[in-house]
Amino acid sequence: SLELTQPPSVSVSPGQTAAITCSGDKLGEKYTSWYQQKPGQSPILVIYQDYKRPSGIPERFSGSNSGNTATLTISGAQAVDEAEYYCQAWDTNAAYVFGGGTKVTV
Amino acid sequence: EVQLLESGGGSVQPGGSLRLSCAASGFTLGSSEMNWVRQAPGKGLEWVAYINTHGATYHADSVKGRFTISRDNARNSLYLQMDSLRAEDTAVYYCSRDLLNPIQGIIVGMDVWGQGTTVTVSS
Repeated sequence: SLELTQPPSVSVSPGQTAAITCSGDKLGEKYTSWYQQKPGQSPILVIYQDYKRPSGIPERFSGSNSGNTATLTISGAQAVDEAEYYCQAWDTNAAYVFGGGTKVTV
Repeated sequence: EVQLLESGGGSVQPGGSLRLSCAASGFTLGSSEMNWVRQAPGKGLEWVAYINTHGATYHADSVKGRFTISRDNARNSLYLQMDSLRAEDTAVYYCSRDLLNPIQGIIVGMDVWGQGTTVTVSS
């Protein structure tokens, strides 16, 4: 079954770019979504269908997906972006799979 | 406003049962594909169960045979019946709505999440 691997942590200086990767077998053939979760809060969808942003999500969030790796990019990171980020995909076994999460420190 | 509100969490002994509820507002739950997702203390997100608009269900291997997802469209509510609970089921349980690509008709993410309800399994 599909397994998604994320780095445990990413650190970025304010105003710089953070790239969070999510790796899985043939992940580029599936749609990937990304969620932001702050301590004590529910997850929020920030990217769906690999690169699309829901309304209300800042343009500094972008996504890509190719080969075995999906990437969430935060361009011009702000302190408010400090959170845990999870990738997610739908497995052929009719099941959702989440990555282990990446803690982003700004 | 589109919202999901979970309830029914609490403390239970191993082997016990709980029934979680998720009330939807601002949209018709019967027209949506829905999930339960959980998060153990200090851990990541784990998908638990899914139900589509036709009532077909899927459950994670970790809960298969013990948990059952269901819905009551008349009440605009989603449920999770949890039996034979174990310590490792301790978590915050969230209900979520699937976002579908309207052209392809496939799931592309979870766009609405509730605030979560806490389940503690301990003797």
